[in-house]
Amino acid sequence: AQSVSQHNHHVILSEAASLELGCNYSYGGTVNLFWYVQYPGQHLQLLLKYFSGDPLVKGIKGFEAEFIKSKFSFNLRKPSVQWSDTAEYFCAVLSGNTGKLIFGQGTTLQVKP
Amino acid sequence: DTGVSQDPRHKITKRGQNVTFRCDPISEHNRLYWYRQTLGQGPEFLTYFQNEAQLEKSRLLSNRFSAERPKGSFSTLEIQRTEQGDSAMYLCASSLASTSGRTGELFFGEGSRLTVL
Repeated sequence: AQSVSQHNHHVILSEAASLELGCNYSYGGTVNLFWYVQYPGQHLQLLLKYFSGDPLVKGIKGFEAEFIKSKFSFNLRKPSVQWSDTAEYFCAVLSGNTGKLIFGQGTTLQVKP
Repeated sequence: DTGVSQDPRHKITKRGQNVTFRCDPISEHNRLYWYRQTLGQGPEFLTYFQNEAQLEKSRLLSNRFSAERPKGSFSTLEIQRTEQGDSAMYLCASSLASTSGRTGELFFGEGSRLTVL
């Protein structure tokens, strides 16, 4: 069965610091990968997704992620975080043709002003 | 608001009672998903519908849980004889799948938080 692992459970950064959140998935075939964000008190929102093509994917709010097939990884990056990036971040893999997403356990990011 | 809406947002109930949650997806979306999220965990898949057909149920879903989407629009998730372990956030999401079956982005509602005393 497919699974997703996020290594960092809680990350604390100061504003302007660079961010990298790790995500590894288990499935070795064709994968479709996503990062979702959940701001405090809000619903899950899509940050970015990878289906095929350029392995470096750019999303909203300056986020990007790189798909590295050989490492089964899809790490999320942002060169300079802001206080407003404080949120919970979830990596997810698409399972088969159902559209069902398998989520990692999430990473809580706290950005100090 | 044309997003996914869920009702109620919060529900407190006593153990053994039945509860029902409602989800109204984005109107043109043909797929609807239910997830459960507990503190410190990512959302766990429960079940999904394509139009009115329930196509998959997680093994996590005990027979106390039932979901319907009678007209292919809104959906309900009922939990019978609730247990304290059912306390969680229940999330609904919808998406538009193409005729080839390729799914679009999942749009999530704000969730229904259940507390079982």
